[in-house]
Amino acid sequence: QVQLVQSGAEVKKPGASVKVSCKASGYTFTSYYMHWVRQAPGQGLEWMGIINPSGGSTSYAQKFQGRVTMTRDTSTSTVYMELSSLRSEDTAVYYCARESGVVVNAFDIWGQGTMVTVSS
Amino acid sequence: NFMLTQPHSVSESPGKTVTISCTRSSGSIASNYVQWYQQRPGSAPTTVIYEDNQRPSGVPDRFSGSIDSSSNSASLTISGLKTEDEADYYCQSYDSSNQVFGTGTKVTVL
Repeated sequence: QVQLVQSGAEVKKPGASVKVSCKASGYTFTSYYMHWVRQAPGQGLEWMGIINPSGGSTSYAQKFQGRVTMTRDTSTSTVYMELSSLRSEDTAVYYCARESGVVVNAFDIWGQGTMVTVSS
Repeated sequence: NFMLTQPHSVSESPGKTVTISCTRSSGSIASNYVQWYQQRPGSAPTTVIYEDNQRPSGVPDRFSGSIDSSSNSASLTISGLKTEDEADYYCQSYDSSNQVFGTGTKVTVL
C-alpha cells in the first residue's frame, strides 16, 4: 500500500542541525511532489517547503530560507529535510506529505510524523 | 502571503450540525482551491474535502464544503455529528509560491 515512513524522534541542542527522512513505498517515487509540514506542540500546521523527487528542485517557505534543505535519494525512494541552527521554537512534529497526483496543491498521503525536541 | 482564519473552537451535540469558517485575508477565496483536513490527537491529518467541495472516497457525505465569495471564506459543514468527528480541522489553500494552512478549529461533540 502507499505509505510514507519517517525516521524516529530526535533530541537536539540549540544551534545544532537535524535531518529527518521520509521513505516512500507503494507508488512511483518520482511522480509525486513531496512537502514538509511541521506542527509545534498544541499549535497548527505550518508549511515548510516542497521538493520535486524527479529533478530534485525545491522551494522553501520564506520563514525557513537559509535554514532548511530538502533533498532526495531516488535509489531508496527517500526524501530528507534538514533544518539547521535549531532553536527551542523549532520543537515540533515534522511531517512529510505527498502532493496528490490528481488534485494539485493538496496533500493525500502523510507520514506518521517525527518529533524533534530542541533543548539544552 | 495571505492568511486563513478559523474559529478557535466549536461544539455541538451528537446528531446536530456544525459549520466551520475559513476566511482568507487577501486575494479571492475563489482563486485557488480549498482543502479541509481532519486531525485526531496523536495522528497525522487526513483529507475530508478537496477542491472546495469534493469528498475523497471513504469520507461520509455528512461532510460538505463550500465557498462564499461575498465573505471571502470557505466553510466545512459536518451534519449528523458523531463522537468520532471530535478532532481538529484545518483548511488549506495556496498561491503561486506557498501553501497556507488555516489556524485550526477544535470540534467538540458534547
